[in-house]
Amino acid sequence: DTGVSQNPRHKITKRGQNVTFRCDPISEHNRLYWYRQTLGQGPEFLTYFQNEAQLEKSRLLSDRFSAERPKGSFSTLEIQRTEQGDSAMYLCASSPPQGVGNNEQFFGPGTRLTVL
Amino acid sequence: AQTVTQSQPEMSVQEAETVTLSCTYDTSESDYYLFWYKQPPSRQMILVIRQEAYKQQNATENRFSVNFQKAAKSFSLKISDSQLGDAAMYFCARSQGNLIFGKGTKLSVKP
Repeated sequence: DTGVSQNPRHKITKRGQNVTFRCDPISEHNRLYWYRQTLGQGPEFLTYFQNEAQLEKSRLLSDRFSAERPKGSFSTLEIQRTEQGDSAMYLCASSPPQGVGNNEQFFGPGTRLTVL
Repeated sequence: AQTVTQSQPEMSVQEAETVTLSCTYDTSESDYYLFWYKQPPSRQMILVIRQEAYKQQNATENRFSVNFQKAAKSFSLKISDSQLGDAAMYFCARSQGNLIFGKGTKLSVKP
């Protein structure tokens, strides 16, 4: 396994368009997280999945944002009606089941979104 | 709000010297995990070192070690024998399921 992968790596879109990002976690990891990182800041938590269940959502996740993990494997993050303030790096991370390993989250390379 | 604070936006160190990055955090929990992550320019975030709060012994990973002061809620990272490849953003994070990150410290290493 080559680690967490994210596609696309870069996305440029016009304001008002919808965009969708994909995250493929490490295969044996049942926990998956989405974070957003703006320039000069640390990542901020958006949402968390355990298997296919979305167990936690941040108040940062407005109604325009939706995330899914339909089969408990890959996940998608969709932003509808994008705004310039959505421009950021969107990071995905995965971790093994609780009690397995050292509670580390493994990060993907991120998807950089630019909204014009 | 439960926060993580890194008070040094930028730090610089001479190659082969030692540097310490500071981090303080806020939590009402007694058991939690603390992490230092490294994010090189345009590259993905990788774990440097982790500390379990119930363990009193400070974690060490080769040239990287921490000074964990639970009562003071302080978790600093010491990098010994700094190398050019250590140049990156360093983020302190506390785990409560998801990670809460500080704003980061940009470390420069001078040859």
